[in-house]
Amino acid sequence: GESVGLHLPTLSVQEGDNSIINCAYSNSASDYFIWYKQESGKGPQFIIDIRSNMDKRQGQRVTVLLNKTVKHLSLQIAATQPGDSAVYFCAAPNQGGKLIFGQGTELSVKP
Amino acid sequence: DGGITQSPKYLFRKEGQNVTLSCEQNLNHDAMYWYRQDPGQGLRLIYYSQIVNDFQKGDIAEGYSVSREKKESFPLTVTSAQKNPTAFYLCASKSEQGIYQPQHFGDGTRLSIL
Repeated sequence: GESVGLHLPTLSVQEGDNSIINCAYSNSASDYFIWYKQESGKGPQFIIDIRSNMDKRQGQRVTVLLNKTVKHLSLQIAATQPGDSAVYFCAAPNQGGKLIFGQGTELSVKP
Repeated sequence: DGGITQSPKYLFRKEGQNVTLSCEQNLNHDAMYWYRQDPGQGLRLIYYSQIVNDFQKGDIAEGYSVSREKKESFPLTVTSAQKNPTAFYLCASKSEQGIYQPQHFGDGTRLSIL
């Protein structure tokens, strides 16, 4: 079946460094991708999205890169802060239009 | 502020009991969703509704039921037929204005067995 998966279950970075969280997807027809941040005990919070007609999209301190050739996307967080500590999910709609979520990468920021 | 409100935050179910989780949104979104989240797993879709008075089963609908009598509300009932109900339940909504719209989530209800 279709899948969306993150490469690493955990990632630890030093405060102030840049973080890169990776995600792979299986459906080459996927045309829309979303990144979410989930803090402990809370629901996922929308961070940024990107359509397949773009390779890159920037938000505030975040950048998403999409490589359709290898079916890979990444979320880059600049100058990572303690408040960025959370689980990050990528998601993409399947052929039926339902969102498929990856299992998440837990980002820990060391002071 | 506009958003999605889930209640209660914590809920306990006794053996053989049905419990109902509330989800209300004031975002004027047409579509609403219920997901279940288990530790270390991605979100799994239970039920969804794209319009009032209509809803469809997701991937793990057995043991659950929903209703959509109002645009703002999409309650989920966890019935006694659901043998493993302990999980974190998340409600989401989405605008249907345009194809490329993200789902927005509430802060969840954690259900445990007594």
